[in-house]
Amino acid sequence: SYELTQPPSVSVSPGQTARITCSGDALPKKYAYWYQQKSGQAPVLVIYEDSKRPSGIPERFSGSSSGTMATLTISGAQVEDEADYYCYSTDSSGNPPFGGGTKLTVL
Amino acid sequence: QVQLVQSGAEVKKPGASVKVSCKASGYTFTSYGISWVRQAPGQGLEWMGWISAYNGNTNYAQKLQGRVTMTTDTSTSTAYMELRSLRSDDTAVYYCARAGYGDYACDYWGQGTLVTVSS
Repeated sequence: SYELTQPPSVSVSPGQTARITCSGDALPKKYAYWYQQKSGQAPVLVIYEDSKRPSGIPERFSGSSSGTMATLTISGAQVEDEADYYCYSTDSSGNPPFGGGTKLTVL
Repeated sequence: QVQLVQSGAEVKKPGASVKVSCKASGYTFTSYGISWVRQAPGQGLEWMGWISAYNGNTNYAQKLQGRVTMTTDTSTSTAYMELRSLRSDDTAVYYCARAGYGDYACDYWGQGTLVTVSS
């Protein structure tokens, strides 16, 4: 089955740039999506179709994709950005996985 | 505004079934599909499947084939997810989400429903 691989954790100081990666063999042909999940809450979409930002999501959130890797970048991370982040994509099998999730710590 | 409101928490015994509902509002229900995603305690997100609210077509995760059924009631803009033969490892928060993009990707999510399977 298809897998998306993320680092388990990323840590930055407030105001620094946080980068969270997601690798998958089908990413050259498929879009990546990114979700933020704060403790005890439902996920929130922060990036769709590799690099687009939904309305209401701060401009410090951006996304990119190159080859087999998609990247979520948080420029000038804030304490309130501390959360788990999940990438999502699919391959031709039609059973889309989420990545394993990355815990972002901002302190 | 788009809202998905799910039914309340459930406690079930092993071998039983559970049916979770998800009532949509704020958009044309039949214009989007609904994906179901679950999250076991302390674990990541797991995609369970998708249903088209337009024609009822479904796509289920391979590991749940035969145990899960997703349906919709267009008269009430409500989606349902039934999981049978429950096991302890089905204990999780179950989310419905509007599939607003291709490949069943979700934009709006319900608040989640905790299903606990315990003898």
